[in-house]
Amino acid sequence: AQTVTQSQPEMSVQEAETVTLSCTYDTSESDYYLFWYKQPPSRQMILVIRQEAYKQQNATENRFSVNFQKAAKSFSLKISDSQLGDAAMYFCAYVSTYAGGTSYGKLTFGQGTILTVHP
Amino acid sequence: DAGVTQSPTHLIKTRGQQVTLRCSPKSGHDTVSWYQQALGQGPQFIFQYYEEEERQRGNFPDRFSGHQFPNYSSELNVNALLLGDSALYLCASRVSGTGSADTQYFGPGTRLTVL
Repeated sequence: AQTVTQSQPEMSVQEAETVTLSCTYDTSESDYYLFWYKQPPSRQMILVIRQEAYKQQNATENRFSVNFQKAAKSFSLKISDSQLGDAAMYFCAYVSTYAGGTSYGKLTFGQGTILTVHP
Repeated sequence: DAGVTQSPTHLIKTRGQQVTLRCSPKSGHDTVSWYQQALGQGPQFIFQYYEEEERQRGNFPDRFSGHQFPNYSSELNVNALLLGDSALYLCASRVSGTGSADTQYFGPGTRLTVL
C-alpha cells in the first residue's frame, strides 16, 4: 500500500520570505502523480501543483515549485515570496496512474502541514 | 466553467439516522470520488464512481454506499450513523483516462455532525 508522510505538523514564514514544506512517500509502482493541495479555513481543497513521476524536470507554478527526488521518494514544496493568502493547511498527495492496479485514481494524502504567514 | 459543487454545506444528524450527500462534478468530468476528512487529518478515500458503477473502494464499512447518475452527479449515503462519522465529506471529480486527466478537483465539502 502507498503511504505519504508529512513530518512537519506546523511551519511559519515571514511575508515575502521563502518556505519549504517536506513530503516523503512510499510506493512500489513506477507510474504515479504527486500533488500539493492547499486547504484554507474555507475548507476548499485547492490544487497548487502537480508532478508526473516520469518527468525529471521539477514542476513550477508561479511562486510555487517542487523538488522531486524520485529515487529518494521525496517531494517538497517551495513557496517563494510568501503572501498572507498562502496561510493554509497544505497536503501532499499521491495517485497511481496504473489503470490495471487496485489503487488507480485513489488519492492518498499525508497528514498535512499548517502554514502560518506572519506580516 | 462551473467547478465541483456539493450540497448541503452543513448537516446535523443523530446517531442511528441515515444521511445523503450530493455532488455535481466539474463540467466535462465523468468520474467522481468521495473522501472523508476528520478534523485535523488528511482526507481518506471512500470510493470512486465511473459509468454509474463503483470502481474503487477504500477501507470503509458497507454502511457507506454511493450512486452515480447518468449526468455524472453522485450521492454518498451513510446508514446507521455513528459519532465517529462526524467529518468533512469531500467530493472530487476528474476526467476518465490517464495522463493529466488523473488530476482531481475538489468541491467545498459537506460538514456532517453526528450527535
